[in-house]
Formats: sequence, C-alpha cells, structure tokens
Amino acid sequence: EAQVTQNPRYLITVTGKKLTVTCSQNMNHEYMSWYRQDPGLGLRQIYYSMNVEVTDKGDVPEGYKVSRKEKRNFPLILESPSPNQTSLYFCASSLTGTGGISNTEAFFGQGTRLTVV
Amino acid sequence: AQSVTQLDSQVPVFEEAPVELRCNYSSSVSVYLFWYVQYPNQGLQLLLKYLSGSTLVESINGFEAEFNKSQTSFHLRKPSVHISDTAEYFCAVRRGYQKVTFGTGTKLQVIP
Repeated sequence: EAQVTQNPRYLITVTGKKLTVTCSQNMNHEYMSWYRQDPGLGLRQIYYSMNVEVTDKGDVPEGYKVSRKEKRNFPLILESPSPNQTSLYFCASSLTGTGGISNTEAFFGQGTRLTVV
Repeated sequence: AQSVTQLDSQVPVFEEAPVELRCNYSSSVSVYLFWYVQYPNQGLQLLLKYLSGSTLVESINGFEAEFNKSQTSFHLRKPSVHISDTAEYFCAVRRGYQKVTFGTGTKLQVIP
C-alpha cells in the first residue's frame, strides 16, 4: 500500500530537549516536504526536499532542521524545541517537484501532534 | 506573492442540502488549483485539481469545482452533502514553478 508514515503520532516534550519526527514514503517519490498546521493559519511549509541531499527552506523554517540522506526518508529535527513549536505537523511526498513545488498529487502522512511544555 | 483566501472558516449545512465552499486566489498569471480534504485525525487527501483544459473539474465523490479566471475563484460545490462529507477542506494554489500555498481551511459540518 502506497503511504507516507510519520512517527510518532503524538509527542509531548519539554523546552530545549532535542527531538526528531521521522517521515518515510514507499512510493519512490523525489519530492518531500514538511508542513505545520495551526488553527486559522492553514498549512505552512517548513522545509522541502527535491531529491536526496537537496533541501531548502519553506515559509517557516526557523527552529527546524531536515536531512535527506535517502530517498524514502525525510526526518524533521527540532534541536531546541520551544512552546511556539507546539503544532500539528505533516509530512508530504509527491513524484516530482520543480522550483520547490510538486506538480503532481501530494500524499500526506497522518500527522504528528507535538506539544512543547 | 500568491495567496489563497477561504473566507468561511466554518460552514454548517443540513444533510442532503447543497453546499459551496469559497476559495479566491491572488495572482496575475496562470495558476494551478487544488482542493484537499482532511477527515478527523487524518492527513490531507487530494480531492480534485485544475491544471489546464476544462474549467469544471469533478471528484469521484460528487464534489466539483470551477476555475473562474476573471473572478480568480475556485469554489467547491456539492449538490447534496452526506454526513461522511464532514471534514476540513483546504484550497491550494501553485503559480508556475512556485511552491504550493494553502488556504486557512473551511470546516464543513453536515447536520443530520
């Protein structure tokens, strides 16, 4: 089954404690991205990757890091989480991307609800 | 910069009634438009998309959207909603090779 898998689904952590949210896709997609969803703000892109070892900032990259060492994985790293990073996070992938966008259907993970206290 | 406006944050509608979810975008050039649906506790799923060709696009579950270039709109409609349509709907736009921008979402609440 084609899917994007995020882990964990729920996470509560304390300010300053480094954490990683994993994202994996089994569709051999080139393009992957991370979004955060906040009430009244919709989805905002954090980082994206057009292929292995190619990443770039989205709209709200501050406080986040990513890496793309393998095509299937695109982890999101919070080196020192703060309460304003409490949010619902989504990973997405699609077949191709040009100029930082996907020109085919995007597949989303189930989401990771992060609470930073 | 492109932007997407979904004026209605919540839309309550009775079951079997018609519904329209509004989406307007700002762009002076050609755009590609999408509607995504998010069911409770799930990720987003593509509902339908306009890339080119016919301005009226349809989904498999009875939704349709019409691209109106003069009004810069891409409203989503369904003639008769079901309880299972209760979800949050996001309009998204891509201009040329720029990244996709999402609207703030509209929660559709279908009332039995």
